Amino acid sequence: DQQVKQNSPSLSVQEGRISILNCDYTNSMFDYFLWYKKYPAEGPTFLISISSIKDKNEDGRFTVFLNKSAKHLSLHIVPSQPGDSAVYFCAARGNNNDMRFGAGTRLTVKP
Amino acid sequence: NAGVTQTPKFQVLKTGQSMTLQCAQDMNHEYMSWYRQDPGMGLRLIHYSVGAGITDQGEVPNGYNVSRSTTEDFPLRLLSAAPSQTSVYFCASSRRTGFTEAFFGQGTRLTVV
Repeated sequence: DQQVKQNSPSLSVQEGRISILNCDYTNSMFDYFLWYKKYPAEGPTFLISISSIKDKNEDGRFTVFLNKSAKHLSLHIVPSQPGDSAVYFCAARGNNNDMRFGAGTRLTVKP
Repeated sequence: NAGVTQTPKFQVLKTGQSMTLQCAQDMNHEYMSWYRQDPGMGLRLIHYSVGAGITDQGEVPNGYNVSRSTTEDFPLRLLSAAPSQTSVYFCASSRRTGFTEAFFGQGTRLTVV
């Protein structure tokens, strides 16, 4: 029972264009959503987050949107840079502070 | 500036052997957790702890034990290793309350043959 889903295993975009990564969840009790970035042979690193009381959060080139009625969130990266190439995980926090992760989307930004 | 430290980084086990993956954090975080990462599955929660002396099961706890005797350490024990436990294991820590992110270790790549 995967409560957090990332349906696109991979995404390829041109440098300078927008990258949009999507995530869906099923548990309406999740109150906090996060995006992590992961490079090979490293642990995931925190990128940006949003609480369930907001619908948008921006941090530089990264913006996360939350649509609670659709149980959907997305990460926008603009402009995309080659250094953004990594696997991106969506995560959602439950009642006991435990985080559930999606399967990840591999983003490739081509120069 | 250590953060979350995992040891070892790599390990090969024979089926049936036992071992302990170590995890230590120096941020005084109450919450610690273990995940395994498998291709196409993302990170799945194995066990977690909300403080010293308190542990609970996550999504995939079978075959693993944990204990939390101190705030800093959260070891993961494989009782009798199986090939299905071949994976990359990540330990994470965070504050227990508030909207806060988790910090991850570098991971342990475990192969069971």
